[in-house]
Amino acid sequence: GAVVSQHPSRVICKSGTSVKIECRSLDFQATTMFWYRQFPKQSLMLMATSNEGSKATYEQGVEKDKFLINHASLTLSTLTVTSAHPEDSSFYICSAPSSLRNEQFFGPGTRLTVL
Amino acid sequence: GENVEQHPSTLSVQEGDSAVIKCTYSDSASNYFPWYKQELGKGPQLIIDIRSNVGEKKDQRIAVTLNKTAKHFSLHITETQPEDSAVYFCAARNNNAGNMLTFGGGTRLMVKP
Repeated sequence: GAVVSQHPSRVICKSGTSVKIECRSLDFQATTMFWYRQFPKQSLMLMATSNEGSKATYEQGVEKDKFLINHASLTLSTLTVTSAHPEDSSFYICSAPSSLRNEQFFGPGTRLTVL
Repeated sequence: GENVEQHPSTLSVQEGDSAVIKCTYSDSASNYFPWYKQELGKGPQLIIDIRSNVGEKKDQRIAVTLNKTAKHFSLHITETQPEDSAVYFCAARNNNAGNMLTFGGGTRLMVKP
């Protein structure tokens, strides 16, 4: 079946540093990918929609200058958390819809801990 | 926009019993309703989905029912097993308006052996 990968799976960084998370669709092309944030025991909250060849669309309340999204190719989107702070610690999950199967596939998630 | 409510937030059942999770949605234009299972520290995995032209779908021990008039859909798991323990999310989407899913709040299912 379709697979979406994320890298890294876990990252611990110091406050003030930037962290880049990669999301790849491994066996299908995705012109759109979605980035979610999930706090403990909560649902997935959509942060932004990543669009290949154009700017990302951010949800209300999500700072575009803090969460930089680049959809570099039809199989890769990256989320960079700039100047990370402890409150950015969360589980970040990407997803990509497969137009062929009309399903949305999720990556395994990235656990970010900011000290 | 779409709003999806999910109940209950936690559900504890004995192994072998059935589990039912219910969701309601607000946008009558929504026409795709997937269910995801999320294990601890992992991303959500699609377990079953239903489209609005169908009232019920079954896959082994898992079934989903959809009532378009009432705008609610339910997940049914029969003969539950300890490995069914996880968080389950329902979602809704209008396939004619992009690929964005709106998620319910999640249900933590615990199956006691």
